[in-house]
Amino acid sequence: EAGVAQSPRYKIIEKRQSVAFWCNPISGHATLYWYQQILGQGPKLLIQFQNNGVVDDSQLPKDRFSAERLKGVDSTLKIQPAKLEDSAVYLCASSLGSGARGNTIYFGEGSWLTVV
Amino acid sequence: AQKITQTQPGMFVQEKEAVTLDCTYDTSDQSYGLFWYKQPSSGEMIFLIYQGSYDEQNATEGRYSLNFQKARKSANLVISASQLGDSAMYFCAMRGRHNQGGKLIFGQGTELSVKP
Repeated sequence: EAGVAQSPRYKIIEKRQSVAFWCNPISGHATLYWYQQILGQGPKLLIQFQNNGVVDDSQLPKDRFSAERLKGVDSTLKIQPAKLEDSAVYLCASSLGSGARGNTIYFGEGSWLTVV
Repeated sequence: AQKITQTQPGMFVQEKEAVTLDCTYDTSDQSYGLFWYKQPSSGEMIFLIYQGSYDEQNATEGRYSLNFQKARKSANLVISASQLGDSAMYFCAMRGRHNQGGKLIFGQGTELSVKP
């Protein structure tokens, strides 16, 4: 079974530029998450989708971050304009969304962003 | 509000010995799930073990076991027979609204170093 795919793996941009990250969840997983992990900290949820609807985006800085999940499969996370404090790993994750084993959330390898 | 606390920023263990990583949690939910993830330097979050709040027996997965003490709100990870490849960050996480897709929140992590 293929895992959660993310791209690009690494990105370096200047502040005020824009960047987009792509995620392809595990096939059949209805729930998709984007997490931000700053160095030395635990991941923080940015946004959660159930199919193509947003379940939770309470911690998404909406003035600069946006995310979409068209057709309920792939998702993109965009940052525009980027700030220095956005330097982090952006982790995409997915889960079936129901059932005991379905509660397990599987993560991709992450997209490392450095803003200079 | 839900909260995960990991009080050990770093731990050392000798190869082949057992080690316990501490995790305490706080939640008002009656039903929830507890997870442990391993994050090597490559950045990927690797799922290790899951414990449901209504599970009567402690979860085990190979060399990993979860010491679940519900009354104390603790969910410690025990790694038996440590290997050099176990050196990584370990995160405890909790998901509320069991079986209903609640978001996963993480602790600050414990960095485990296995000595040869």
